[in-house]
Amino acid sequence: NAGVIQTPRHKVTGKGQEATLWCEPISGHSAVFWYRQTIVQGLEFLTYFRNQAPIDDSGMPKERFSAQMPNQSHSTLKIQSTQPQDSAVYLCASSLPPYEQYFGPGTRLTVL
Amino acid sequence: GDKVKQSPSALSLQEGTNSALRCNFSIAATTVQWFLQNPRGSLMNLFYLVPGTKENGRLKSAFDSKESYSTLHIRDAQLEDSGTYFCAAEAGSAGNKLTFGIGTRVLVRP
Repeated sequence: NAGVIQTPRHKVTGKGQEATLWCEPISGHSAVFWYRQTIVQGLEFLTYFRNQAPIDDSGMPKERFSAQMPNQSHSTLKIQSTQPQDSAVYLCASSLPPYEQYFGPGTRLTVL
Repeated sequence: GDKVKQSPSALSLQEGTNSALRCNFSIAATTVQWFLQNPRGSLMNLFYLVPGTKENGRLKSAFDSKESYSTLHIRDAQLEDSGTYFCAAEAGSAGNKLTFGIGTRVLVRP
């Protein structure tokens, strides 16, 4: 079991560009979560899916951020028109609810 | 943020000693998870707790939902225990999303 896979591990974008982050959950896990980690805000929930359906996106910034789960083997987080304040480590986790969440290694996004 | 208050914020331990970390919740936590983030940034799940106690090797954790707190005890600290420990709570009304504390940075000294 490879664990949760996130690609790319590092991404650098210019201000105003688009960034797409990918997550492959652990096989058989029905829930996928996205979190963001910064020095200032710590670990913050963004959104989650269960059985590919969006359940809660209460942590997503209302503009520019969107997430999808087109099939059970991957989810994407897209940030349009990236801004310097979007710089963070974006973490994906999966679980077999209601049990423990397993985190991927994260994608470090740097917006110049 | 304030929904999950974690203490202390940092801890320096002599190898072989014991210590305890604590989280207090101002949300109606139904389950608690403890994680260790290593220097490379990987988050490793240590415990998943419903109210009660669990033990794994030199680590022991407890969750009291009525008093709204959880503790993590480290016994006979080893160098590899260094890292940042996070607690996170699931509030039943909020589904399965986790609300995290700010973390406790632990350094184990030889």
